[in-house]
Amino acid sequence: TQLLEQSPQFLSIQEGENLTVYCNSSSVFSSLQWYRQEPGEGPVLLVTVVTGGEVKKLKRLTFQFGDARKDSSLHITAAQPGDTGLYLCAGARGKLIFGQGTELSVKP
Amino acid sequence: KAGVTQTPRYLIKTRGQQVTLSCSPISGHRSVSWYQQTPGQGLQFLFEYFSETQRNKGNFPGRFSGRQFSNSRSEMNVSTLELGDSALYLCASSQAMGQGYGYTFGSGTRLTVV
Repeated sequence: TQLLEQSPQFLSIQEGENLTVYCNSSSVFSSLQWYRQEPGEGPVLLVTVVTGGEVKKLKRLTFQFGDARKDSSLHITAAQPGDTGLYLCAGARGKLIFGQGTELSVKP
Repeated sequence: KAGVTQTPRYLIKTRGQQVTLSCSPISGHRSVSWYQQTPGQGLQFLFEYFSETQRNKGNFPGRFSGRQFSNSRSEMNVSTLELGDSALYLCASSQAMGQGYGYTFGSGTRLTVV
């Protein structure tokens, strides 16, 4: 049983479209992190959210931590081919627990 | 500033053999974690070390072990390799343990067991 459920697992969209990736759990996390991983490389940290209800923006990416600190979302505005990759959410509960990831493909 | 360095990048081993993977964290980072990544299971936590002590351990058999040295460098050992151990092994370092600290990952070691 996966502690962190990510949806969708796969997403293929055209350049310029918007998208949202969800990360849900029945457990509370002290913080939640989002990473992006490209083939053959390790994940790269995008953002850490700590406070329930927190919203952080990173250029065209908007991250939100749920009020109850059990879920999070990643919204990308006007997606570009360079956004293609595996997006991973990870919750901190003593150790870092990862979701299964969302494979995003943005076609030009 | 040098990133997290993992060696070797690629490794092919025979079933039954043992293997040692190495991780050099970012200078000043004292926490080192290890993860196994496979297509079916995703990223699975193996263990975390801080100040040469194992602080957390995942649900892996005893064939998987690790250690951390006084300079924070870490090694991971897998004994009696099985075909199912084929995976990308990732090491991540952080300034400290606890909430809010982001992890910097290395590029990983791709282990293939034949």
